[in-house]
Amino acid sequence: AQSVTQLGSHVSVSEGALVLLRCNYSSSVPPYLFWYVQYPNKGLQLLLKYTSAATLVKGINGFEAEFKKSETSFHLTKPSAHMSDAAEYFCAVSEFGYGNKLVFGAGTILRVKS
Amino acid sequence: NAGVTQTPKFRILKIGQSMTLQCTQDMNHNYMYWYRQDPGMGLKLIYYSVGAGITDKGEVPNGYNVSRSTTEDFPLRLELAAPSQTSVYFCASSSTGFAYNEQFFGPGTRLTVL
Repeated sequence: AQSVTQLGSHVSVSEGALVLLRCNYSSSVPPYLFWYVQYPNKGLQLLLKYTSAATLVKGINGFEAEFKKSETSFHLTKPSAHMSDAAEYFCAVSEFGYGNKLVFGAGTILRVKS
Repeated sequence: NAGVTQTPKFRILKIGQSMTLQCTQDMNHNYMYWYRQDPGMGLKLIYYSVGAGITDKGEVPNGYNVSRSTTEDFPLRLELAAPSQTSVYFCASSSTGFAYNEQFFGPGTRLTVL
């Protein structure tokens, strides 16, 4: 069964600094991977997804993620953090089989300091 | 186009009471999902549906029931509320069952059971 591990439940960066949120997956087959963002008191919104077309995936709001099969990782990065990036970020893997179910990581809360 | 809507936004229940969380989508999506979100735990799948009249259990179905009589609606029923069901509940939908398809999320229902 697929699983996702997000290293670091809380990450704090200064405004303008690099954002790096870590995600490792476990899957017996080539995975489809997603990053979602949840702003306070809101639903989840898709940031980007990996579907095997390209290992470097660009998403919304300047975020990107790189799929590394050898490391079973799909880390999310942004070169320069903005105050508006403060949110909770979830990595998810699509569970193969009936229903297109997603398996989520525990989430990482990003704090941006001014 | 409202996307996925959920009602109510907030609810407080007493132990043993029942209630239905409503979910409606206007995107003509066949696939719909119910998740619960607990702090530090990510999202866990409760039930899902691949079309009207077809539902199946997810990872944490105990204490919940669902039905899907139309493509648009996917209500979640709590029969005998327990404090362990205090959580934030999200409904989501997807256009197909392909693993690379994103899910679209509603704004959530925050439920407290006292």
